[in-house]
Amino acid sequence: KAGVTQTPRYLIKTRGQQVTLSCSPISGHRSVSWYQQTPGQGLQFLFEYFSETQRNKGNFPGRFSGRQFSNSRSEMNVSTLELGDSALYLCASSLDRTEKLFFGSGTQLSVL
Amino acid sequence: SQQGEEDPQALSIQEGENATMNCSYKTSINNLQWYRQNSGRGLVHLILIRSNEREKHSGRLRVTLDTSKKSSSLLITASRAADTASYFCATEPDRDNYGQNFVFGPGTRLSVLP
Repeated sequence: KAGVTQTPRYLIKTRGQQVTLSCSPISGHRSVSWYQQTPGQGLQFLFEYFSETQRNKGNFPGRFSGRQFSNSRSEMNVSTLELGDSALYLCASSLDRTEKLFFGSGTQLSVL
Repeated sequence: SQQGEEDPQALSIQEGENATMNCSYKTSINNLQWYRQNSGRGLVHLILIRSNEREKHSGRLRVTLDTSKKSSSLLITASRAADTASYFCATEPDRDNYGQNFVFGPGTRLSVLP
């Protein structure tokens, strides 16, 4: 069974640009969560999608958005990038919210 | 505020020694999980302990949970250089706090020296 796949692995953008990150969950997993990881703030929850619906959202500005498609694949978008958005963005899938999370390798975003 | 807090922040031991990491949390929970992360990679699930369990084993891992103290510990026995990684606890809030997803602590960075 293939694991969680995140693309791209690395991304370099400049301030003001926007970016879209992709996540393909493990087959059969309907819950997809996104986390931002930085050295200073640790792992911060962004949002969770289940069956194409956003079930939960963390404390991030509206520049951060996401969606989930009917095949459970998910994308997150960050608009008007700021230097502070530089981070490792991790996607995790699970059968449901209460189950263990399976993480992808992450997308390392650098904003210059 | 963060739900989980790991202690210590960093730990350095010799191969063969045991490593103990602690996690404290604030609200009542359904379960607590431990994850490992190798540098710059995704997290890997290690073990899950439910709120009605007190101890759980998996290979060289032993996890305890004390819900009265809102704390958990992860013990890695006979450590190996390959155990070098960051370890995170993640808590799933219970029904009273339903709607919140897993909350991760800041992690303990473990270095196992050969």
